Amino acid sequence: KAGVTQTPRYLIKTRGQQVTLSCSPISGHRSVSWYQQTPGQGLQFLFEYFSETQRNKGNFPGRFSGRQFSNSRSEMNVSTLELGDSALYLCASSLAGGLTRDFGTYNEQFFGPGTRLTVL
Amino acid sequence: GDSVTQMEGPVTLSEEAFLTINCTYTATGYPSLFWYVQYPGEGLQLLLKATKADDKGSNKGFEATYRKETTSFHLEKGSVQVSDSAVYFCALMRNAGNMLTFGGGTRLMVKP
Repeated sequence: KAGVTQTPRYLIKTRGQQVTLSCSPISGHRSVSWYQQTPGQGLQFLFEYFSETQRNKGNFPGRFSGRQFSNSRSEMNVSTLELGDSALYLCASSLAGGLTRDFGTYNEQFFGPGTRLTVL
Repeated sequence: GDSVTQMEGPVTLSEEAFLTINCTYTATGYPSLFWYVQYPGEGLQLLLKATKADDKGSNKGFEATYRKETTSFHLEKGSVQVSDSAVYFCALMRNAGNMLTFGGGTRLMVKP
């Protein structure tokens, strides 16, 4: 079973440009989450999509957006890039909705290798 | 809001030494707790988890016990190997949904 794939793996952009990153979840997985990893801020949650709907959103400016397609593939877009957007962007997929209310199950999140974005 | 605090690294050990990486959390309710590992150039892999108080998660010789009274989830391994060298992240998830809150990560370096 193929894992989570992210494209491209590396990207170099200049300030002011925009960028689109892609994530293909594991077959059958309906939830895709995005995280930003930087040396200074660590791992921070960006947003989660489930069945083409954004279900959760982290504390990031509106320049960061995303979407999910009917095949569960997801894209995230960053407009008007800033130097501080340089980071490793990770996506994670899971079967469904995460924890049930009685904590009886957990849909493990499988992470992709990430896209390394460098903003010059 | 939710937060996770883990010991800063790097932690440098000799092979076969005992490992402890401390993790404490702040969250309302009853979060589930996780340890993830990140090897160089790779994404995160779930190492172990615990979904309720007093649960012990274990995998590949690593263990962690969910201690609600001390809001802790310390990672331990009795005998580390060079191949355990990686960055370890403690994380929590609260309520339904897939939003993980991570600690800052602890780099482990194991020398032969």
